[in-house]
Amino acid sequence: AAGVIQSPRHLIKEKRETATLKCYPIPRHDTVYWYQQGPGQDPQFLISFYEKMQSDKGSIPDRFSAQQFSDYHSELNMSSLELGDSALYFCASSPGTGSSTDTQYFGPGTRLTVL
Amino acid sequence: AQSVTQLGSHVSVSEGALVLLRCNYSSSVPPYLFWYVQYPNQGLQLLLKYTSAATLVKGINGFEAEFKKSETSFHLTKPSAHMSDAAEYFCAVTLFMDTGRRALTFGSGTRLQVQP
Repeated sequence: AAGVIQSPRHLIKEKRETATLKCYPIPRHDTVYWYQQGPGQDPQFLISFYEKMQSDKGSIPDRFSAQQFSDYHSELNMSSLELGDSALYFCASSPGTGSSTDTQYFGPGTRLTVL
Repeated sequence: AQSVTQLGSHVSVSEGALVLLRCNYSSSVPPYLFWYVQYPNQGLQLLLKYTSAATLVKGINGFEAEFKKSETSFHLTKPSAHMSDAAEYFCAVTLFMDTGRRALTFGSGTRLQVQP
């Protein structure tokens, strides 16, 4: 079965640079979530999209922005990178049927290292 | 607001022994609870979920969890540990947002070690 695809899997950037992470949800899933997992920490919700519109925001810094495109893939744009942005970034997708029991399926993550 | 607390950041068991990973939740509405497993350098894989149907939920790899409302718990168990079960386990609860959409809020995770 198709899974959530994230690219790149690993990314190394310098401080103050920008980074773009991509997420391709499971086909026919119209809701995408982004999470950030710092070293030794649990995943923290950043932002979500439903039907190409921003749905909810969690603890996403103002330096970050994201969008969902017409083909439902999503991109997380990160500017003015800081050392503390080094983390594993997960994308998850769900069917978005409106059911409270919708399961979120996670991608393998993008490991961002800021030097 | 919804939250989960995982008791014990590290659990070590012998191969073949019972696995018990503890999770307690707090929710002002009926919760939807999940257990995810994360192997080293990999993403989160769903083990099982509770969605207000049966209180005893069976998942993949022989894991199961029981929802106990009176104890606000959703502990994960497996009768006999295998070396391949060594991983980080996260309990999560649906976080209901103002828009009516949902995110997940996770516990701090429990690292399971399996000794030969």
